Amino acid sequence: EIVLTQSPGTLSLSPGERATLSCRASQSVSSGYLAWCQQKPGQAPRLLIYGASTRATGIPDRFSGSGSGTDFTLTISRLEPEDFAVYYCQQYAGSPFTFGQGTRLEIK
Amino acid sequence: QVQLVESGGGLVKPGGSLRLSCAASGFTFSDYYMSWIRQAPGKGLEWVSYISSTGSTTDYADSVKGRFTISRDNAKNSLFLQLNSLRAEDTAVYYCARGRYSYYWGQGTLVTVSS
Repeated sequence: EIVLTQSPGTLSLSPGERATLSCRASQSVSSGYLAWCQQKPGQAPRLLIYGASTRATGIPDRFSGSGSGTDFTLTISRLEPEDFAVYYCQQYAGSPFTFGQGTRLEIK
Repeated sequence: QVQLVESGGGLVKPGGSLRLSCAASGFTFSDYYMSWIRQAPGKGLEWVSYISSTGSTTDYADSVKGRFTISRDNAKNSLFLQLNSLRAEDTAVYYCARGRYSYYWGQGTLVTVSS
C-alpha cells in the first residue's frame, strides 16, 4: 500500500499570498497517477488536479500541480477567499487508492 | 451535467447490514470505473472500494475487506455497496465517485452504526 503524507498539516496565509502544499508518497507513484481535491465544510470534495498536473474542468488556472515519483506539490498562485479549505492528495497508481491525511488552509 | 446521488444510509446496530445505492446520470455509466470513499465525522477521506467498468474487477480497503461488497448495474446506471457486519468505526458519510481518481462526487449518504 502506498502511504501519502501531506505537509504541513495546517497552513495559515492571507488572501493574495501564494500557497504551496506538499504530498509525499512512501513509494513511487507510477505514471504520475496523483490527484488533488478540495473540500469545504459541509460539502463533498471537488477534484482539482489529476495526472499530477492536469486541471479538472472549470478549475481556475491559479491552481497548479507538479511533481513525479514520490514528491508532489499543489500550488495556489494567489489565494482567493474561497480557496480556504482542506486539500487532499490521492494516488490511483495501484489499489488501494489511498488518500493523504489532508492539509487545512486557513486564513491568517 | 454529471450527477451522482447516493441513498440508503441510516442508523443501524453493530453487526447489522445496509445497502447503499448511487444513481448516476449525465455520462455513459458503463464506460467508467466507479469508487466508494467514506469520511468519518471530523476525519479525513478514506478510500473504500472500486469496481471496473464491466464489474469484472473489484478491490477493497483492508478495513472493509470481507464485510463490504461493491457491485453495479450498467443497465440501470447504478452503483451499490453492501455493508455487512457493521462496526461503530464504519460510521461515516459514504460518497460515490466516478473513476479511480474521483472526477465527480456525489453529496454522500450518512451511515451511523450505534446501539
